[in-house]
Amino acid sequence: QSVLTQPPSVSGAPGQRITISCTGSTSNIGAGYDVHWYRQLPGTAPKVFIYAITKRPSGVPDRFSGSRSGTAASLAITDLQAEDAADYYCQSYDSSLRGLVFGPGTKVTVL
Amino acid sequence: QVQLVESGGGVVQPGMSLRLNCVASGFIFRKDALYWVRQAPGKGLEWVAAISDDGKIPHYADSVKGRFTIARDNAKNTLYLQMSDLRNEDTAIYFCARVNYGDYPSWGQGTPVAVTS
Repeated sequence: QSVLTQPPSVSGAPGQRITISCTGSTSNIGAGYDVHWYRQLPGTAPKVFIYAITKRPSGVPDRFSGSRSGTAASLAITDLQAEDAADYYCQSYDSSLRGLVFGPGTKVTVL
Repeated sequence: QVQLVESGGGVVQPGMSLRLNCVASGFIFRKDALYWVRQAPGKGLEWVAAISDDGKIPHYADSVKGRFTIARDNAKNTLYLQMSDLRNEDTAIYFCARVNYGDYPSWGQGTPVAVTS
């Protein structure tokens, strides 16, 4: 069972905006630790899409954005495109576990 | 740029041991805590172990506590994961990762471990 909570799936039509939530607690997201978002395609290593809550690596479209409020974080994708279909994971650090914590992943489907 | 390269994975029988290595470059190795993360087939990401920058303070997920040992050699820029008493459920791709506050997280490409009789 994952420490962080994500919806199993989110879907949207091309051009729409979707958000993926990541809910934690006061020992991880709520404690001010970073939240990172990864995209993973089958058989490949996770790729960083948003880091330190809001930062976007070079090469990641500005359609992707991150935010945090209290013990939760969100990844928003605007102008949804077919190539956005993938699994997305959130990750933070937990002071009780003294280690990294992950969400279970959200499968994004483009209708 | 930061590079993390894992090695040492393979196919082993239950109860056997295996040591994973992660050679790092592109950053000051001795200054950063490091992590091992794994992903079982068809499953999500699971943190396995963490180690402080000086190697003196390890932490483990409950699922591997008492069986896995994380260590590092700062002179060789290398992170290790000694895995003992391996179980079928330890089958996964193992990644080493550098995750610092405010910084871009870096991961290796992973090394596969298969535990099967």
